[in-house]
Amino acid sequence: QVQLQESGPGLVMPSQTLSLTCTVSGGSMTTGYYYWSWIRQHPGKGLEWIGYVYHRGSAYYNPSLESRVTISVDTSKKQFYLRLTSVTAADTAVYYCARRPNWYFDLWGRGTLVTVPS
Amino acid sequence: QSVLTQPPSVSAAPGQKVTISCSGSSSNIGENYVSWYQQIPGTAPKLLIYDNSERPSGIPDRFSGSKSGTSATLDITGLQSGDEADYYCATWDVSLNTGVFGTGTEVTVL
Repeated sequence: QVQLQESGPGLVMPSQTLSLTCTVSGGSMTTGYYYWSWIRQHPGKGLEWIGYVYHRGSAYYNPSLESRVTISVDTSKKQFYLRLTSVTAADTAVYYCARRPNWYFDLWGRGTLVTVPS
Repeated sequence: QSVLTQPPSVSAAPGQKVTISCSGSSSNIGENYVSWYQQIPGTAPKLLIYDNSERPSGIPDRFSGSKSGTSATLDITGLQSGDEADYYCATWDVSLNTGVFGTGTEVTVL
């Protein structure tokens, strides 16, 4: 059974770069037609889609974050990555990685809280 | 600020039915499939409904979804205490060119 697990630092200083990894276990990243996605949830708030990457490397981002976001993939390691530059306290959130077969997310990681102090 | 509007909360007694609405526009719900997610506090969202009304394997038929025009609905029948959670709708918005989630609805079992 395919599972996703986020990892990365829980604290990032303002103006620095947030870097997270999502590791895929129990299955292949290249079988099927999946988009590997990142979603975040601000404390006590709703969900915000960040972007996705296809296993061949093409990526697409939320226009509101596009200038600061990079999502990449390494299928040999069965990992995909989120990089968010110039973070502020407004980027404090739980970050989820998820698998997207079409326009829905069928598998989610447990999430990781990233705090940017103000 | 989400473009998909849901009621903040709904509640009902065990065994009863709740209906959660998701109101959008012609650029999102009117153009694309809707999915629904259940999020128990402290845990990750879980897919309940995809392609407007399809249930993934393992989701009981107490959960059903529908779509009409620019709105979608999630029905939960035979309400159970374990259904207490936040519920979100989601789709793609062709004008904003991004995925969008609803504002979320908290379900309380009385």
